[in-house]
Amino acid sequence: GNSVTQMEGPVTLSEEAFLTINCTYTATGYPSLFWYVQYPGEGLQLLLKATKADDKGSNKGFEATYRKETTSFHLEKGSVQVSDSAVYFCALKGGSQGNLIFGKGTKLSVKP
Amino acid sequence: DSGVTQTPKHLITATGQRVTLRCSPRSGDLSVYWYQQSLDQGLQFLIHYYNGEERAKGNILERFSAQQFPDLHSELNLSSLELGDSALYFCASSVASGGYEQFFGPGTRLTVL
Repeated sequence: GNSVTQMEGPVTLSEEAFLTINCTYTATGYPSLFWYVQYPGEGLQLLLKATKADDKGSNKGFEATYRKETTSFHLEKGSVQVSDSAVYFCALKGGSQGNLIFGKGTKLSVKP
Repeated sequence: DSGVTQTPKHLITATGQRVTLRCSPRSGDLSVYWYQQSLDQGLQFLIHYYNGEERAKGNILERFSAQQFPDLHSELNLSSLELGDSALYFCASSVASGGYEQFFGPGTRLTVL
């Protein structure tokens, strides 16, 4: 079945450091891929998405490229801020009804 | 603010009890999805309703049920609660089924003692 694997956290970085959170997926067909962010005490917010191979999703300085050959959708940001501290979830659309299948989440802490 | 509301925010109850969680989707959204977030299982899809009809089931226990009402709000009913049911329960809404963006509510934190 469909599944998402993302790197275990927690990840601790200093402000202005480069961020990579790895995400790989297993799926039949061509699923849409997403990164969601969850700030403390809040629900999930869509950060970015890509709907087909080689698409690059971007938002708020974050980027991820849909790589079909490596079944990956790694999240990157060139210079993190303290305000980026949150839990990041990689996800794919699991079926025709659109339910999401999530990775386990990666907690990011950015220190000043 | 996503426009999706969930009540209550927190719920503390005892094993064996029954609770109802409520979700109001964004105005105009016809689809409601329920997800469970727990420490050991992560975020899991439970069930999807579209315009009052059940459309898909995920890892939902038989003790759990849901429905979507004519005004499109949805309720998730959890019965014969066990300690392991303690989790955050999110609902998400979207305009329709399929490839539309899902907007998540703030969640209901359920604690079973």
